[in-house]
Amino acid sequence: EIVLTQSPGTLSLSPGERATLSCRASQSVSSNHLAWYQQKAGQAPRLLIHGASSRATGIPDRFSGSGSGTDFTLTISRLEPEDFAVYYCHQYGRSPRAFGQGTKVEIK
Amino acid sequence: QVQLVESGGGLVQPGRSLRLSCAASGFSFTTYPLHWVRQAPGKGLEWVAVVSYDGRNEYYADFVKGRFTISRDNSRDTVYLQMSSLRPEDTAVYFCARENDFYFFDYWGQGTLVTVSS
Repeated sequence: EIVLTQSPGTLSLSPGERATLSCRASQSVSSNHLAWYQQKAGQAPRLLIHGASSRATGIPDRFSGSGSGTDFTLTISRLEPEDFAVYYCHQYGRSPRAFGQGTKVEIK
Repeated sequence: QVQLVESGGGLVQPGRSLRLSCAASGFSFTTYPLHWVRQAPGKGLEWVAVVSYDGRNEYYADFVKGRFTISRDNSRDTVYLQMSSLRPEDTAVYFCARENDFYFFDYWGQGTLVTVSS
């Protein structure tokens, strides 16, 4: 079973700043089957990135994903007010699927 | 457009049963596997179960095996989660999610809250 560990737990930043979120897997994620989701309070998760680095339809290009194997990164180049939320990584390459525990991006 | 709408949540006593439903629309329902994912209050996302596009195969997280059953009715475009022997730690919002051709979740419902408490 793959365990995903996200860091940091909370990121305190100001609008316009760059956010770098990390997701580390306990084993290699097959075929880079790694996705990132954004979740706001009371809402369903929203797909941002799939295949480690492919932006989902309609996602602004300030969001980018990178990495392979066991280390993955979500970068938000310039934070907009609507980007303050919780972000989860998710591996879907092996069963059982797993999510990281989340990184909260909050306004400093 | 693709829609997934969960229902059936509520307050239930420990040890009792509850059945959740997820009604789908806006896509060819019989083509896609469907999953349940849950989120305890203030906690992260946790995968629960999946049913194949034809309903013939099901897989479960260890913590629900033997207690929960996922199924689907392709004539009604609906997926179900039958939950029995409920425990307080099953308290969560339960989301259904569609697995697309590339294996990731591309659409989610808004969730239904299950509270297990005496």
